[in-house]
Parts: sequence; structure tokens; C-alpha cells
Amino acid sequence: GENVEQHPSTLSVQEGDSAVIKCTYSDSASNYFPWYKQELGKRPQLIIDIRSNVGEKKDQRIAVTLNKTAKHFSLHITETQPEDSAVYFCAASLTYSSASKIIFGSGTRLSIRP
Amino acid sequence: DAGVIQSPRHEVTEMGQEVTLRCKPISGHDYLFWYRQTMMRGLELLIYFNNNVPIDDSGMPEDRFSAKMPNASFSTLKIQPSEPRDSAVYFCASSSLGEGEHFGDGTRLSIL
Repeated sequence: GENVEQHPSTLSVQEGDSAVIKCTYSDSASNYFPWYKQELGKRPQLIIDIRSNVGEKKDQRIAVTLNKTAKHFSLHITETQPEDSAVYFCAASLTYSSASKIIFGSGTRLSIRP
Repeated sequence: DAGVIQSPRHEVTEMGQEVTLRCKPISGHDYLFWYRQTMMRGLELLIYFNNNVPIDDSGMPEDRFSAKMPNASFSTLKIQPSEPRDSAVYFCASSSLGEGEHFGDGTRLSIL
């Protein structure tokens, strides 16, 4: 089955700097890669996703990249702000089957230093 | 849409009691997931349904846990009897095929 590894487990960056979170997956058939942000005491929220037919996707200060050959995908946050502090989860899934579930990484706790 | 609705938001009960968590998925979503989140084990998938049918319950910790989805707009997760180690935040999520999951606000369960 699919296995998703996420690094680092904690990340502290200066406000205004960039943050990068990296994930690897094991099942080469996986074709959908969402990212979730979970603030303290709240639910995980989908912030951006990418499909296997695309190498990069941007949404304002957030971008995701996907390297299918290496089975790597990454989240990039530029010009970080205090409200970016949260736990971020990457995930991978195979979406062509009715038996489809998303496998989550273990999470990265991002702290933005003022 | 109101999003995924879970109840109760908080539950405190004594060990040995039955606990029932409830979830209303987003209308039109044909997948429903139950997760448990703890500091030690992170976010764990317990079970998921497709079109009201359980597809994978390999994450259900033991026979004390059961889940049902009698129709497309309602699901329950039941723990009987409950134990202190079941204390966690339980999330329900729903999605359509090929889309990301939308999570409810969770139920914070404390078993004394």
C-alpha cells in the first residue's frame, strides 16, 4: 500500500522568509496530492492540491511541486506571515478507483518567528 | 453548504460507557471517512465508506469500535465499552472521487 513520508517534523522560519516542506510517496500509481493546514484546536483544511499530470501549481504565496519520477512533492510558502503558523500535512491517493483513500504524512509543525 | 457537521463537539464520559459520534457529510459527496487524532499517533484513518458501503475498516483499533452509514447523509462511530485510551479528537471527513477531503470540526472525546 501507499506510504507517505514528510520532512521536517518541525520548522521554524523568520517572518518574511520562505518555508519548504517535503514529502515522498511509495506507490507510483498515486495521482492526487493534497496539502492540509491544521491550526491549533481546529480541523485540517485543504489549502492546495496537485494532480499527477501537472508539475507545479501556485496559489498566491503557496506553491506545490511534483516530481513523479522521484516520487517527491513539496509545499513552498513565500513571504511567511504569523498566520502561517500551523501543522501542515501532505497526502497522496489514487483516485481512479472506487476504493480510494488518502494517505497522510505525519505532519510538519511550522512556526513563524516575528 | 454548511460543510461536514459533527456532533457532539465535546464528550466527557466514564470508562465502560457507550459513546456515539455522529456525522453529516457534505451533500453530494460519496466518500465518508472517520479519523482519530492524538499527539502520539497523529491522524489515523479508522474506516471509510463509498456510497454508504464500508470499503476499508483496517484502521479500526478493535471490536469495541463500530461504524455505520445507514444513508448518504448520516454516519455514526460507536465505541462500546469506552476506555481511557480512546480519548482523542475524532474527525469525520467527506469527499467526491478525485477530490480532497473536507473535514468536520471534530469531536473531542475524553474518557475518564
